[in-house]
Amino acid sequence: GESVGLHLPTLSVQEGDNSIINCAYSNSASDYFIWYKQESGKGPQFIIDIRSNMDKRQGQRVTVLLNKTVKHLSLQIAATQPGDSAVYFCAENIQGAQKLVFGQGTRLTINP
Amino acid sequence: GAVVSQHPSWVICKSGTSVKIECRSLDFQATTMFWYRQFPKQSLMLMATSNEGSKATYEQGVEKDKFLINHASLTLSTLTVTSAHPEDSSFYICSALPAANSYEQYFGPGTRLTVT
Repeated sequence: GESVGLHLPTLSVQEGDNSIINCAYSNSASDYFIWYKQESGKGPQFIIDIRSNMDKRQGQRVTVLLNKTVKHLSLQIAATQPGDSAVYFCAENIQGAQKLVFGQGTRLTINP
Repeated sequence: GAVVSQHPSWVICKSGTSVKIECRSLDFQATTMFWYRQFPKQSLMLMATSNEGSKATYEQGVEKDKFLINHASLTLSTLTVTSAHPEDSSFYICSALPAANSYEQYFGPGTRLTVT
């Protein structure tokens, strides 16, 4: 079936540097995308979302970029902190189905 | 706001027994709740969609007679793992969709199930 995938399963970044986590999706009917952060033993935590009619959205220290032409989603985290260390998942909402399909996840490690 | 709780946070049960996991939306009503399963170092996989007052919709490959879902009120959904086996050991996570919001799901903290 269709799925959302990630290019990099692990990513190590020096504290203070910026990080970029990428995601490829395959369902052209998806109309809403979300990035979640998951710490060990906890549920996913919402970070930022973007609708398909946008190509960029910014939050506090985070930016999501959407390229519908190549079906690519990215999460940029600026000035990373130790607390940013976690697994990050992208998810897409299948239009009309009202359910999320999660990508495989990327483990981000912030090195002091 | 938008807090979802799960109970218990972890449970150990013997093979062949059944275990019930509760998912509650604490400060909002949820017409739709979702149940996910997550194996170690893997992503979340949707098991079923639960709508208040109606039967759950199960994803392909999920046994509806094994994973019983009840959504009796707008704030509570339960997942019962019947005749549990060691391969059912996993992290079970629920999420809730507020009636006024058609997209953003609010996730619970998860329940760690270990079947011995």
